[in-house]
Amino acid sequence: GAVVSQHPSWVICKSGTSVKIECRSLDFQATTMFWYRQFPKQSLMLMATSNEGSKATYEQGVEKDKFLINHASLTLSTLTVTSAHPEDSSFYICSASRGGRRATRELFFGEGSRLTVL
Amino acid sequence: RKEVEQDPGPFNVPEGATVAFNCTYSNSASQSFFWYRQDCRKEPKLLMSVYSSGNEDGRFTAQLNRASQYISLLIRDSKLSDSATYLCVVNMPYGGATNKLIFGTGTLLAVQP
Repeated sequence: GAVVSQHPSWVICKSGTSVKIECRSLDFQATTMFWYRQFPKQSLMLMATSNEGSKATYEQGVEKDKFLINHASLTLSTLTVTSAHPEDSSFYICSASRGGRRATRELFFGEGSRLTVL
Repeated sequence: RKEVEQDPGPFNVPEGATVAFNCTYSNSASQSFFWYRQDCRKEPKLLMSVYSSGNEDGRFTAQLNRASQYISLLIRDSKLSDSATYLCVVNMPYGGATNKLIFGTGTLLAVQP
């Protein structure tokens, strides 16, 4: 069964609104979670590394004020797309590794959240 | 040059065929390697890790050539259910003690009846 759960699985919103996506590890504690974005026919691109109890680490080119990440507990990380625009429409996927901070072990992915901004 | 490169395909093969996917990576210091499978509009799922000595899991064989920075996946006796996108994933050092998983764009396999 799923070990990482993501919600919502799809969302449609108007331009300018904010959307929150939740990522939960179901049967383990994840001190680190990863947020990816995937555009059609492209690879998964790491957006940020979410660290429990501290600030997220953002990849180059990802605006931290636009993509707010909160990792307040060992089983929950949230990604908020603020003031969403049509170009933010994408498939957002979170993941976590049971092995801890290093991304050297198997990553378990959430089901993904498909965001469409009108 | 992309950090992880794959032939995007599509590979259209008949059931029962053997098909091979290739992947190259740019950073010779990369430490671990994986093949993930992604079905349409779904999240990626680990298919298998790739070990230096090569490894096999049923109909699937993965091989690594560090000298050539090349990874392969061989699927024997293809099934209709093998139709998916296969992602080559490389764990690369990214400054200091930080590693990062880099995904290829994926190779699309379509197995025909």
